[in-house]
Amino acid sequence: DAKTTQPNSMESNEEEPVHLPCNHSTISGTDYIHWYRQLPSQGPEYVIHGLTSNVNNRMASLAIAEDRKSSTLILHRATLRDAAVYYCILRETGANNLFFGTGTRLTVIP
Amino acid sequence: SQTIHQWPATLVQPVGSPLSLECTVEGTSNPNLYWYRQAAGRGLQLLFYSVGIGQISSEVPQNLSASRPQDRQFILSSKKLLLSDSGFYLCAWSMGFRDEKLFFGSGTQLSVL
Repeated sequence: DAKTTQPNSMESNEEEPVHLPCNHSTISGTDYIHWYRQLPSQGPEYVIHGLTSNVNNRMASLAIAEDRKSSTLILHRATLRDAAVYYCILRETGANNLFFGTGTRLTVIP
Repeated sequence: SQTIHQWPATLVQPVGSPLSLECTVEGTSNPNLYWYRQAAGRGLQLLFYSVGIGQISSEVPQNLSASRPQDRQFILSSKKLLLSDSGFYLCAWSMGFRDEKLFFGSGTQLSVL
């Protein structure tokens, strides 16, 4: 399985932008990059995904490096409700599952 | 709209007792179904997935088993629970591979004592 590397934890001030990095140096050409987040005592929630181009949705933006070996999830204005564990995951071609690592625990400071 | 139901929310079981966790999906047909487990402070570990009725793939050998008796029903079972089976169990579904999203249930917190 292609793996990802994320910092264990990050902090952000409320209403500030947050950039959550992810390294995936062994990514293959057809692997999709997915981001999920998990609030305490809940199941993970889909945030965003992309292949090569940057992606935007109502929750976040995903910036993908030109060589695709890294990506950054951008929360434009962090709120207290954004405090969660954020997972960066590669979905391999033909794979039936997503491999979840330990993610980045985001703390939002009021 | 599609919904996923998972129950119970919490469960406390003695070592050696059986287990049955149920998950159902509504509003879609022939979904891919998954069972994940999350130990305290750890990432999610895929246990089983299913692409159709009666089709189960196991990712990790253990004393758990899964069954899919109906298209939108996925059951996680054990004949005899171990202490190490404690954890947060999550059911999920998706409509395909590659770029399809996973939708998770609310989870079952299992404590084996």
